[in-house]
Amino acid sequence: DTAVSQTPKYLVTQMGNDKSIKCEQNLGHDTMYWYKQDSKKFLKIMFSYNNKELIINETVPNRFSPKSPDKAHLNLHINSLELGDSAVYFCASSPRTARATQYFGPGTRLLVL
Amino acid sequence: GESVGLHLPTLSVQEGDNSIINCAYSNSASDYFIWYKQESGKGPQFIIDIRSNMDKRQGQRVTVLLNKTVKHLSLQIAATQPGDSAVYFCAENTGNQFYFGTGTSLTVIP
Repeated sequence: DTAVSQTPKYLVTQMGNDKSIKCEQNLGHDTMYWYKQDSKKFLKIMFSYNNKELIINETVPNRFSPKSPDKAHLNLHINSLELGDSAVYFCASSPRTARATQYFGPGTRLLVL
Repeated sequence: GESVGLHLPTLSVQEGDNSIINCAYSNSASDYFIWYKQESGKGPQFIIDIRSNMDKRQGQRVTVLLNKTVKHLSLQIAATQPGDSAVYFCAENTGNQFYFGTGTSLTVIP
């Protein structure tokens, strides 16, 4: 009964490819997020969705496109992968957008060769 | 943009000692702060939180202190155990924005 799950856990791919990462939460939360963690462990928010609507879209290349088919899922599609996209991507969810604890998934380790 | 910074990137403590991890934030309008623990290969896990109308909050073996005057947050871990070895992040919440600090790596020496 995993609260926030992500697939795949590892993703190794060539530059220029397109890939997707999926996220699902079974906590009944309204808000979901995508974060990128670089090699120095710095965590930066990329996107936030509340009830399937985009509410945060940080300065992220438009090669990254989130999609929320329902409030329990937030997928991340990345076009034309670049070397600099190599990182760990975390999905998270919270009951609301402000003053709320976020619950993180286990992460997807993306390596672009 | 916002910045949430940690004073020490690494910290080593003897098992049984108390640990103190510090964090500075820049936005005086932030009204909610969270500490997360990230073990190797896992996602961050919630430890404790505090609202800006408080200056201290205690949990099991952990205490968070908030000093709004100097915009400083600290996490105290009592009787540190080997299982406490991890990277600790502070996070700052302003409206619907969350900003994470760079993390402090805590190593507990048996």
